[in-house]
Amino acid sequence: EVQLVESGGGLVQPGGSLRLSCAASGFTFSSYWMSWVRQAPGKGLEWVANIKQDESEKYYVDSVKGRFTISRDNAKNSLYLQMNSLRAEDTAVYYCARLGGSYYHYWGQGTLVTVSS
Amino acid sequence: QSALTQPPSASGSPGQSVTISCTGTSSDVGGYNYVSWYQQHPGKAPKLMIYEVSKRPSGVPDRFSGSKSGNTASLTVSGLQAEDEADYYCSSYAGTNNPYVFGTGTKVTVL
Repeated sequence: EVQLVESGGGLVQPGGSLRLSCAASGFTFSSYWMSWVRQAPGKGLEWVANIKQDESEKYYVDSVKGRFTISRDNAKNSLYLQMNSLRAEDTAVYYCARLGGSYYHYWGQGTLVTVSS
Repeated sequence: QSALTQPPSASGSPGQSVTISCTGTSSDVGGYNYVSWYQQHPGKAPKLMIYEVSKRPSGVPDRFSGSKSGNTASLTVSGLQAEDEADYYCSSYAGTNNPYVFGTGTKVTVL
């Protein structure tokens, strides 16, 4: 069974940093593109970042470029999102998702990030 | 990259059908056969319902179907059931630099 379990969310002040983790199991992690998707409270879904199997390609939504970094450790079956210079508008539930080509096949349960003073 | 346009709400009685539209541009929906649909119940993670316009993942009832015409994709839920009440989001591939765009979401109510 495919499982994706996010952790690392919490309350952080504007300008602060946070590192999210996603532990994957039930599939060959190193064979798939992975992604982070977020959802602000009461709002819709927003793609944040993608990473290729060998980290050779990474893509980000414009609003997080230069502030967020996606990475992975295939030996640990883990995906990460380093978030710096956080803003109030980054407040959201962050989901880890496994890509199946052009679509998000499996999702984690999400971790809440709140940026507030 | 702008979000794809969906109606805010849709509704139907049990057993009826409801169709949700998802309108984009020639740079996303109209340019690729890579439209997917997700169901999200309150407080839960999204679930893949349709991928590549009209394909259903294993385990998704055949009451759910997808189609596309030009820059607009559609999700139809036939034989509505109480458990179909949820938010539904479309998504489309939109090119290398900003590869994925989501729709604004539609709340489906089973009357």
